[in-house]
Amino acid sequence: DQQVKQNSPSLSVQEGRISILNCDYTNSMFDYFLWYKKYPAEGPTFLISISSIKDKNEDGRFTVFLNKSAKHLSLHIVPSQPGDSAVYFCAASWGTGGFKTIFGAGTRLFVKA
Amino acid sequence: KAGVTQTPRYLIKTRGQQVTLSCSPISGHRSVSWYQQTPGQGLQFLFEYFSETQRNKGNFPGRFSGRQFSNSRSEMNVSTLELGDSALYLCASSPRQGQHIQYFGAGTRLSVL
Repeated sequence: DQQVKQNSPSLSVQEGRISILNCDYTNSMFDYFLWYKKYPAEGPTFLISISSIKDKNEDGRFTVFLNKSAKHLSLHIVPSQPGDSAVYFCAASWGTGGFKTIFGAGTRLFVKA
Repeated sequence: KAGVTQTPRYLIKTRGQQVTLSCSPISGHRSVSWYQQTPGQGLQFLFEYFSETQRNKGNFPGRFSGRQFSNSRSEMNVSTLELGDSALYLCASSPRQGQHIQYFGAGTRLSVL
């Protein structure tokens, strides 16, 4: 039962272009969505998040869009840089007090110089 | 401030053995969660601890257990190891329960032969 799905295992983009990473979810109870970035031999690091009451959140080159009716969120990276090459995990959580976070399988982004 | 520290980084065990993994959260963080990462499966939630109490548990068999100490350090134990337990085990901490953003350690890579 994959409640959070990242259907693209990998994505290749030219430096300077836009990278768009997609994520779909099934559980309407999710109230917070996050993106994490992971380099080899390191743990995931938090990148950007969005509450379910919003539809867009922007932080520098990174923007997350949430479409609740479609149960879909996306991460836009503009412009893409070679240092952005990593695995990106979409995550969703719900609850107050104790909560669970469900992660997608990840999308490996390659940014070519 | 030191990050989340996981020990050991690498571990090789044989089927039937048991293993204990350790996690020291960021100083001041009281919530610790554990995840299992396998290729193509993303991060699977194991359990969350806060104030020495397990607050949430994922869908893993009882062979997987954990605990948290009064200094917030946490250990995870897997008994009667199976080949399928080979994975990267990640620990994440957050300042308090209910904080969506988590800070991850580099993980312990467990290989079961």
